Amino acid sequence: AQSVTQLGSHVSVSEGALVLLRCNYSSSVPPYLFWYVQYPNQGLQLLLKYTTGATLVKGINGFEAEFKKSETSFHLTKPSAHMSDAAEYFCAVSDRRAGGTSYGKLTFGQGTILTVHP
Amino acid sequence: NAGVTQTPKFQVLKTGQSMTLQCAQDMNHEYMSWYRQDPGMGLRLIHYSVGAGITDQGEVPNGYNVSRSTTEDFPLRLLSAAPSQTSVYFCASSSTGDNSPLHFGNGTRLTVT
Repeated sequence: AQSVTQLGSHVSVSEGALVLLRCNYSSSVPPYLFWYVQYPNQGLQLLLKYTTGATLVKGINGFEAEFKKSETSFHLTKPSAHMSDAAEYFCAVSDRRAGGTSYGKLTFGQGTILTVHP
Repeated sequence: NAGVTQTPKFQVLKTGQSMTLQCAQDMNHEYMSWYRQDPGMGLRLIHYSVGAGITDQGEVPNGYNVSRSTTEDFPLRLLSAAPSQTSVYFCASSSTGDNSPLHFGNGTRLTVT
């Protein structure tokens, strides 16, 4: 079965500093991976996704993530944090199966709350 | 362009009461799903549907029922609410294809006392 582990339930950075949110996955098939962001009292919004092709994926708001098969990782980065980046971030993997489809199901990590200090 | 609409936004129930959380999408998506979000546990799948008339259980289905009579609507029913069902509930939809992202509603915050 697929699984996702996000290292660090809380990450705190200063405005302008590098943001690094860690995600490791387990999948029995080549994974489709997603990062979502959740602002307070809102639903989840897609930041970026990896399916096939280029392993460095660029998303919205200056975020990017790199798929590393050898490390089973999909870490999210942003070179310079902004106050508006404060939110909770979720990594997710598609529930694909060998010879089957996910039917739109995702397995989520536990989430990482990003705090940005002035 | 409404996307996924959930109602109500907030609800307080007493133990044993029943209620239905509503979810509607206007994107003609075949796939719809319900997740619950609890602190430190991410989102966990309750039930999902691959089209009108077809539903199946997810990771945490106990205490919840669903049906899907139309492509647009996917209500979630709590038959006899329990304090363990205190959570934030999200409805999501997506088009077919494993690389299709989920589109989420804004959630329903449910408290069971």
